[in-house]
Amino acid sequence: GESVGLHLPTLSVQEGDNSIINCAYSNSASDYFIWYKQESGKGPQFIIDIRSNMDKRQGQRVTVLLNKTVKHLSLQIAATQPGDSAVYFCAENNNDMRFGAGTRLTVKP
Amino acid sequence: SQTIHQWPATLVQPVGSPLSLECTVEGTSNPNLYWYRQAAGRGLQLLFYSVGIGQISSEVPQNLSASRPQDRQFILSSKKLLLSDSGFYLCAWSYGSSYEQYFGPGTRLTVT
Repeated sequence: GESVGLHLPTLSVQEGDNSIINCAYSNSASDYFIWYKQESGKGPQFIIDIRSNMDKRQGQRVTVLLNKTVKHLSLQIAATQPGDSAVYFCAENNNDMRFGAGTRLTVKP
Repeated sequence: SQTIHQWPATLVQPVGSPLSLECTVEGTSNPNLYWYRQAAGRGLQLLFYSVGIGQISSEVPQNLSASRPQDRQFILSSKKLLLSDSGFYLCAWSYGSSYEQYFGPGTRLTVT
C-alpha cells in the first residue's frame, strides 16, 4: 500500500553543521507535504510545508526540497543547534494526511 | 491565538479499566479535530476525526471511541483498556480545507 517512510532512523551531527533529513513517499498523487519536529514527550510542531507544484521552499534556517521524479522529500537545517535535537517526520496529503515514523536528530556540542 | 490542550499528560491504567482523554481547542471555532496514536518508533496512526459536533469518523476498528459534545471539545474513550492501547495519544486540529494540523502536547498512556 501507499506509505511514507524515512531513509534513516537516526542522524547525528556536530553543532554548527548542516543537517539533511530525508523522506521517501510512494503516492505520486500526494499534493502537499509537511515537516514536523517532535521533541521528547511533546506534540509535533509544524516546521515547514510545501505543495507539489513547488520544488523548494525556504524558512528560517530550514529548507524543504521536493523531487517528484523520485518521490523524495528532504529537510535541510542550516547551522544545526542543540535545540534542534528532536525527531523529525514528514507527512503527505492525498485526501488525508499520512505520517512517517521519523528520524531522530542528535546534535553533538 | 489558538491553543490546544490535552489532559491528563500521563496516565497509568490497569487492563480492563475505562479511559477518558480530553482535548480542547481555544481561539477558533468549527475546527476539524483529530485523535492520533503514536507507538514507539512508528508514525502517527489516525484514530478518529471530526468535522463538527456529534460527527465522528473512525479510521480503524478498535475498542476506542470518540465523542465531540461541544464545538471545541474532543474526547477519546474506552470501556475496557487493552495492553495494546498503550501509547502516546495526540489530539490535533485544523481549520476548514487547510491541510496543516496543529498538535496538542499529548497524553502518555500506559496500560499495565
